[in-house]
Amino acid sequence: QITLKESGPTLVTPTQTLTLTCTFSGFSLSTNGMGVGWIRQPPGKALEWLALIFWDDDKRYSPSLRSRLSIAKDTPKNQVILTMTDMDPVDTATYFCARRQPDGSFDYWGQGALVTVSS
Amino acid sequence: EIVLTQSPGTLSLSPGERATLSCRASQSVTSRSLAWFQQKPGQAPRLLIFGASSRATGIPDRFSGSGSETDFTLTISRLEPEDFAVYYCQQYGSSPRTFGQGTKVEIK
Repeated sequence: QITLKESGPTLVTPTQTLTLTCTFSGFSLSTNGMGVGWIRQPPGKALEWLALIFWDDDKRYSPSLRSRLSIAKDTPKNQVILTMTDMDPVDTATYFCARRQPDGSFDYWGQGALVTVSS
Repeated sequence: EIVLTQSPGTLSLSPGERATLSCRASQSVTSRSLAWFQQKPGQAPRLLIFGASSRATGIPDRFSGSGSETDFTLTISRLEPEDFAVYYCQQYGSSPRTFGQGTKVEIK
């Protein structure tokens, strides 16, 4: 059974750095072709792709957020960590992590974690 | 960056009717690397279709995907009550991966 779960703060103040952890089970990030990505969704709005890390530690980022994002993996712990610096109220959103299957699509998703940015 | 434009924004239909959703890309999508997701309020997206036309595990055959290059379609042959939701397309053939803005399928 494949599961993913996001964890992290529910409230951050402006200019702070957000750190989110995706803890998964049922697959390994050392398997050829696998990856884990992060996607966010502001309340009432569309999905926005943020970042992706591959089994070989290759990484991809959204160009518009590249300077603020960092993604890393801890393969033995089955975790992927996303950090986003200089948080702003417009970054208020539900943040999802999802498994990238070998064909490239996101086939399993976490339940999402709502992060509110407010002073 | 590939921009995906979904139409219509909202589709008002009755159960049993056929739904046709469009997703147009600003550039050709590599290797038909296009997916469709369904999202209900308060839930994570669910993968319906990948590779433009392959159904994901457990997805009923009333859902079908077609298209290539810049024009893609999701068809729901006969709407069931549980199909009323928001649908997103996503291309994953090139970086950055991008999503469309969504089509809401609502009960008429």
